[in-house]
Amino acid sequence: TQLLEQSPQFLSIQEGENLTVYCNSSSVFSSLQWYRQEPGEGPVLLVTVVTGGEVKKLKRLTFQFGDARKDSSLHITAAQPGDTGLYLCAGEPSGTYKYIFGTGTRLKVLA
Amino acid sequence: GAGVSQSPRYKVAKRGQDVALRCDPISGHVSLFWYQQALGQGPEFLTYFQNEAQLDKSGLPSDRFFAERPEGSVSTLKIQRTQQEDSAVYLCASSLVVAGGPETQYFGPGTRLLVL
Repeated sequence: TQLLEQSPQFLSIQEGENLTVYCNSSSVFSSLQWYRQEPGEGPVLLVTVVTGGEVKKLKRLTFQFGDARKDSSLHITAAQPGDTGLYLCAGEPSGTYKYIFGTGTRLKVLA
Repeated sequence: GAGVSQSPRYKVAKRGQDVALRCDPISGHVSLFWYQQALGQGPEFLTYFQNEAQLDKSGLPSDRFFAERPEGSVSTLKIQRTQQEDSAVYLCASSLVVAGGPETQYFGPGTRLLVL
């Protein structure tokens, strides 16, 4: 069974702080995605990374795919209350079309 | 440009009842996925359709779960003889292309099912 473990599971920080969320697996993925989900809504895609070592930036969010394509991180700079939500990573095992979702990180940014 | 819609948004069922959950994907989207999301967890894959063909149903938890997409657009997930462990949010997602590489899945808001 392929699992994607995310850490931390919960994070509560003050506005302006930086944070990093980790997504780890023992399996190799051909691509990995990060989503944000708000209460009562479906997940919304933030980014897709494909190449080992790839770094993508989306405003204050920086995403990195591990060199071995087994792990990923999401770094948020100067967090804002609008960043509050459930962050999910999802990996696509090689040769399949199914995305395996991580366990999720629930972030709360306090004003 | 309407997104993916799901109905009902909330469903309360008595144990043993049958339920039907509907998904209206984005028009023209080839791929359609169903996921089950337990409280505080990430979504788990249930089944995948390419147009009207159900290519993968390996994630369906039991034979009480059945999904269809007869005309390649609207899909229905049916759960027979509901059990309390079926309580979860059921998410539908669609994408423009045939699955098999990085693609953008557009998720609906989900149906929250509570089985009493």
